[in-house]
Amino acid sequence: DTGVSQDPRHKITKRGQNVTFRCDPISEHNRLYWYRQTLGQGPEFLTYFQNEAQLEKSRLLSDRFSAERPKGSFSTLEIQRTEQGDSAMYLCASSLGLAGLNEQFFGPGTRLTVL
Amino acid sequence: AQSVAQPEDQVNVAEGNPLTVKCTYSVSGNPYLFWYVQYPNRGLQFLLKYITGDNLVKGSYGFEAEFNKSQTSFHLKKPSALVSDSALYFCAVRAARPNSGYALNFGKGTSLLVTP
Repeated sequence: DTGVSQDPRHKITKRGQNVTFRCDPISEHNRLYWYRQTLGQGPEFLTYFQNEAQLEKSRLLSDRFSAERPKGSFSTLEIQRTEQGDSAMYLCASSLGLAGLNEQFFGPGTRLTVL
Repeated sequence: AQSVAQPEDQVNVAEGNPLTVKCTYSVSGNPYLFWYVQYPNRGLQFLLKYITGDNLVKGSYGFEAEFNKSQTSFHLKKPSALVSDSALYFCAVRAARPNSGYALNFGKGTSLLVTP
C-alpha cells in the first residue's frame, strides 16, 4: 500500500503522560500536514511541513505539542503532559506540488483517548 | 479568513434517488474548493475539486459538484444514490496562507444516509 500510514491507530493514555504519533507520507510528497478532528467537527489544521521545515503552527498547538519531520520523510507529533481535552483523532495528510492546488491524501488517523 | 459552511448535519435519501449535499463558502480572492468523504475507521478520501474552469466538476464514484459564484455555493450531487454512499461528507476551502501550505479549512461535515 503506497498511501499515507499512521501509527498507532489507537492510543489510550492517562492524563499527564506523554504520547508520540508517527506519520509516513506518500514517499514523493514534499508537503505534510497534521490536523485534529473532534467528534462532530471537521478536521482542524495543526501544523505544516514543507520537506523538513515546519513553516506554520496553528494556535491550537500549545507548547505541549511538538512536531518534527527529520530529513523530510516521516513525521512525528508528540504531546507532553496530556490533558483530557487532547482526546481527538489526529490526522496526517501529504500532497505534492505548488500552491496547494493538488489534493491532500489523508492517513487513517490516530485516535487518542486521555483518561 | 477562508471558510465553508455545511448547513445540514444530516441528509437522508432513498436509494436510487438523486442526492445533494450543500456547501457555501466565504473567501477573499478566488475560491479553491474540495469535497472529501469519510467512511468509519478510514481516512478522508478525496472526491473532487474546483480550481477554475467549468462550473460542473466531475469526481470519483459518480459524484459531481456545481460551483455557483453568485450564490457562493459548491453543492455535491449524485444522480442516483447507493446505500454504499452512506458516509460523512466534508466540504473544504484552501486557506490563503502560503506558510500553512495552503491547508484546508473544513466544514463541520454532513452525514449522508441512503436507505434501501
